Amino acid sequence: DAGVIQSPRHEVTEMGQEVTLRCKPISGHNSLFWYRQTMMRGLELLIYFNNNVPIDDSGMPEDRFSAKMPNASFSTLKIQPSEPRDSAVYFCASSDFGLNSPLHFGNGTRLTVT
Amino acid sequence: AQRVTQPEKLLSVFKGAPVELKCNYSYSGSPELFWYVQYSRQRLQLLLRHISRESIKGFTADLNKGETSFHLKKPFAQEEDSAMYYCALMGFGNEKLTFGTGTRLTIIP
Repeated sequence: DAGVIQSPRHEVTEMGQEVTLRCKPISGHNSLFWYRQTMMRGLELLIYFNNNVPIDDSGMPEDRFSAKMPNASFSTLKIQPSEPRDSAVYFCASSDFGLNSPLHFGNGTRLTVT
Repeated sequence: AQRVTQPEKLLSVFKGAPVELKCNYSYSGSPELFWYVQYSRQRLQLLLRHISRESIKGFTADLNKGETSFHLKKPFAQEEDSAMYYCALMGFGNEKLTFGTGTRLTIIP
């Protein structure tokens, strides 16, 4: 298995533009997580899904952020409009739901908003 | 609420010296604690978890419920241990994993 696959690896965009980050979880995993990594705040959970259903989106910072999981093999995180303070590394992770099962992370998308 | 505190953003240790990365948590129930590591140019990966009670790459971590701590230790640091280390907590009965802010460990040759 190639593991969790994220695209793009790097994204540079101008303030106000729409940004879409993509994630393909490990086949068979039924839980998917989006995290944001910054120097100041470390890894913050934005949202997670179980069986394609959003379970906890309390970490989504603003209405500008939205996430979808239309099927078990694909998820998107969208920022519209983007702002410079959104610059960070965004990680997707998946797991096989079960008590205390570990997360498998993707390589992340480094987003720079100018 | 779940909360994880890693007080040190940066830690430098000489090769061969002992390493201790601090982690404290706040959780009202019985937590599951983890350490994740991110080596340069690699993805974040699980290092160890407290229920396994095992040593991975010479690292161990003991859950101290009295002090609400889960410090990561290694008796003799190696250069390949240089990485970013994250402590994480999962509450009982849910799969939401809360991370600390991370500690960047640098091993000085």
